[in-house]
Amino acid sequence: SQQGEEDPQALSIQEGENATMNCSYKTSINNLQWYRQNSGRGLVHLILIRSNEREKHSGRLRVTLDTSKKSSSLLITASRAADTASYFCAGSGSARQLTFGSGTQLTVLP
Amino acid sequence: EAQVTQNPRYLITVTGKKLTVTCSQNMNHEYMSWYRQDPGLGLRQIYYSMNVEVTDKGDVPEGYKVSRKEKRNFPLILESPSPNQTSLYFCASSSRQSYTEAFFGQGTRLTVV
Repeated sequence: SQQGEEDPQALSIQEGENATMNCSYKTSINNLQWYRQNSGRGLVHLILIRSNEREKHSGRLRVTLDTSKKSSSLLITASRAADTASYFCAGSGSARQLTFGSGTQLTVLP
Repeated sequence: EAQVTQNPRYLITVTGKKLTVTCSQNMNHEYMSWYRQDPGLGLRQIYYSMNVEVTDKGDVPEGYKVSRKEKRNFPLILESPSPNQTSLYFCASSSRQSYTEAFFGQGTRLTVV
C-alpha cells in the first residue's frame, strides 16, 4: 500500500516561479522525506522532516508537515529548468523503511 | 564515494529463465530494500532487510526472492520471471535508524519477453 499520495500528478511552471507539491499519507510516521528523480535514474534524497517538526528549510526548498491532517508540502522557490524531475514523498514508519507515493512530475519551462 | 551499485543496468530475458540482480553498498548500512517502479504506481517495496540474515516481505513480494548473507550485498532473485515483472528496479540502503535518508542505486531496467 502506498504511504504517500502526491498532488498534483503533474505541474508545469515557468522558470523563476515557485512550485508547490502536496503529499497526503495514511498511517503514523516517524518522519516524512522528499526525493527527486531525474528521468529513469535513481532517487536522490532532498529533505527530511521529523514528526515533531512543522517546517524545515534547505536552500530553495521548504517543507511543511501537518500530522493532524497527515499532509506535507514541498515548496521549491525560484525554480530553474534543472529542477525538472519527478518528486516523491515517502513516509518512514516502523521497520518498513520508506513507503512512497506515485510522485509529481514537475516541468520547469525556460 | 558512498554509493549503492546495482548490476546489470539493463536486462532483457525470456519468461522462466532465472536471473539475479545484484546490489552492493559501501556505507556499512544495516537496512537494504528492493523496490519496483511502474508508471502511475510510484515505487513499491518488494523486500527489505534489517540486517544480515534478516529479510521480510514488502508490498509486492510475489515472484521474488532475496538473501542477505553479507551486510553489503542484497541480491534480488527472480526464479521464474514473467512478463508482469517487466519494470524498473531500485535497490536502496540506509543506516540502522529508519529515521534517515535512503541511498538509491541507479536502477535496473528489466524486460521479460
